[in-house]
Amino acid sequence: DAGVIQSPRHEVTEMGQEVTLRCKPISGHDYLFWYRQTMMRGLELLIYFNNNVPIDDSGMPEDRFSAKMPNASFSTLKIQPSEPRDSAVYFCASSLPGTGVDEQYFGPGTRLTVT
Amino acid sequence: AQSVSQHNHHVILSEAASLELGCNYSYGGTVNLFWYVQYPGQHLQLLLKYFSGDPLVKGIKGFEAEFIKSKFSFNLRKPSVQWSDTAEYFCAVSTDNQGGKLIFGQGTELSVKP
Repeated sequence: DAGVIQSPRHEVTEMGQEVTLRCKPISGHDYLFWYRQTMMRGLELLIYFNNNVPIDDSGMPEDRFSAKMPNASFSTLKIQPSEPRDSAVYFCASSLPGTGVDEQYFGPGTRLTVT
Repeated sequence: AQSVSQHNHHVILSEAASLELGCNYSYGGTVNLFWYVQYPGQHLQLLLKYFSGDPLVKGIKGFEAEFIKSKFSFNLRKPSVQWSDTAEYFCAVSTDNQGGKLIFGQGTELSVKP
């Protein structure tokens, strides 16, 4: 298996622009997580899905952030409009809990820089 | 609410020194416990995990962790660290009422001097 795939790996954009981050989870995994990592705040869970349905979006910082999972093999995290304080590494992870293998598998991350 | 606490934010060791990173969690029910490692510039990778059975868990690269239920702890140990162990280490917990969600500690940065 190729693991969790994220794109792009790096994104540089100007303040006010829309940013879309993409994630393809491991095939067969029914949970998908979006995290944000910064030096100041560490690793934060933004939102997670189970069977394509959002379960908990309490970590989404503002209405500027939205996430979708239209099918089991694809999810997006969108920021509109972007701001410099959104600069961070965004990780996607997937898992298949309840079978004794609860660990999450992380993608390589997208490093977002908003200028 | 459940939480995970890692005692040390930054640990600096010389090569061959022994390592112990503390992790405590707050939850009285059934837990699954994890240690993840993040090497510089990379994503989080699983180091080891505990689900049940022997509370002393052995992971990759010579790491081990011991689950002490009475202390709500899951400390990470390695008898002799190497420069290549320089990384950030995250403790995480999943509970029987969180449906697959992991609760992460704030991380401990380990710097190993050659």
